[in-house]
Amino acid sequence: GEDVEQSLFLSVREGDSSVINCTYTDSSSTYLYWYKQEPGAGLQLLTYIFSNMDMKQDQRLTVLLNKKDKHLSLRIADTQTGDSAIYFCAEMEKGGKLIFGAGTRLAVHP
Amino acid sequence: GAVVSQHPSRVICKSGTSVKIECRSLDFQATTMFWYRQFPKQSLMLMATSNEGSKATYEQGVEKDKFLINHASLTLSTLTVTSAHPEDSSFYICSAGGPPLEQYFGPGTRLTVT
Repeated sequence: GEDVEQSLFLSVREGDSSVINCTYTDSSSTYLYWYKQEPGAGLQLLTYIFSNMDMKQDQRLTVLLNKKDKHLSLRIADTQTGDSAIYFCAEMEKGGKLIFGAGTRLAVHP
Repeated sequence: GAVVSQHPSRVICKSGTSVKIECRSLDFQATTMFWYRQFPKQSLMLMATSNEGSKATYEQGVEKDKFLINHASLTLSTLTVTSAHPEDSSFYICSAGGPPLEQYFGPGTRLTVT
């Protein structure tokens, strides 16, 4: 079946940029997503990118897509303590099913 | 924004008993709700898709007689884990809505079977 992989943990200093990476296997994915999960809360859709784009910027968030390598990244500029959370990468399979990665826990320290 | 709640947030039960988890869309109606399961350090895996007023569609490998899903109203879906065993211990997450851009997730329920 399809697979999405991401590293499990990332630690950054407050004010630095964070880059969370993800690889996926389904080359036919039309949409790729980034979700954020804070403790005790549901997954929140942060941003998404169409497969025919290679970059999308939304305020502090920049999504880069390398379709050839099936690699997706999320860059958070000027990372703040409020950005500490688990970030999930997901691809949409044919039929609309979401395939998630295991999530990357982002820890922001002073 | 749209809010989805789950109840309970944590539950501990004894092996062999059944546990019911509720998923509610609080400020919108959802004809479709999804149930996911997440083991520690692993991905969310879709278990089933439930549509209001009809039978749920289960993913391959998910036992429909063990994980009973009921979606009796446009704001409530329930997942009942029957005859629970320790290997059913997991984090269960629901979402409500349709396409991913309109899908809202609950906070999850941690089930521990002793």
